[in-house]
Amino acid sequence: EAGVAQSPRYKIIEKRQSVAFWCNPISGHATLYWYQQILGQGPKLLIQFQNNGVVDDSQLPKDRFSAERLKGVDSTLKIQPAKLEDSAVYLCASSLDASWWGDFGGYTFGSGTRLTVV
Amino acid sequence: GQQVMQIPQYQHVQEGEDFTTYCNSSTTLSNIQWYKQRPGGHPVFLIQLVKSGEVKKQKRLTFQFGEAKKNSSLHITATQTTDVGTYFCAGPPSSGTYKYIFGTGTRLKVLA
Repeated sequence: EAGVAQSPRYKIIEKRQSVAFWCNPISGHATLYWYQQILGQGPKLLIQFQNNGVVDDSQLPKDRFSAERLKGVDSTLKIQPAKLEDSAVYLCASSLDASWWGDFGGYTFGSGTRLTVV
Repeated sequence: GQQVMQIPQYQHVQEGEDFTTYCNSSTTLSNIQWYKQRPGGHPVFLIQLVKSGEVKKQKRLTFQFGEAKKNSSLHITATQTTDVGTYFCAGPPSSGTYKYIFGTGTRLKVLA
């Protein structure tokens, strides 16, 4: 099966510019996540979608970050305006329905987008 | 909020030695997952443990979920250079949210 697709792979922007990341999850996966991973740290959840509805966005800096998942499939994450501290790898992941606590097979992560803000 | 800590932060071992990383949560977890991230790569799902005291094995890897469901461990027997990477645990609290919080990670380096 095809994995989680993300683009672009790398992005360098100046502070105060805007940037957008795209994610196409595994077909049939209801749950989609955006994580931010700063170098040397564990992934931090930014937003979680169940189909096209937001389940959790409590750690999303909503003054500058926005995300949407149209038709419950693809998703985009946008940063506007970017700050130096936004430099990180942005990981998209998907999973089968994670709205229960049984063994759902874990998350499948994409290769990520490495963002550098200068 | 929920915090998930892992120790040690770094571990260097000689090839063939054993390795263990420990995961400790500030709150009771409904289940726990383990991921491996190779240098420059993305996290890859290894396993999920659901039951209190559960032990699962994958070849040289042994995973354990604590009786109180607040801690977990990953043990690798006879490490190989292919084991190099950062190992993360992740779990949601048992209080009703499905948000998986990732641990701080343990970076393993295997010396040939």
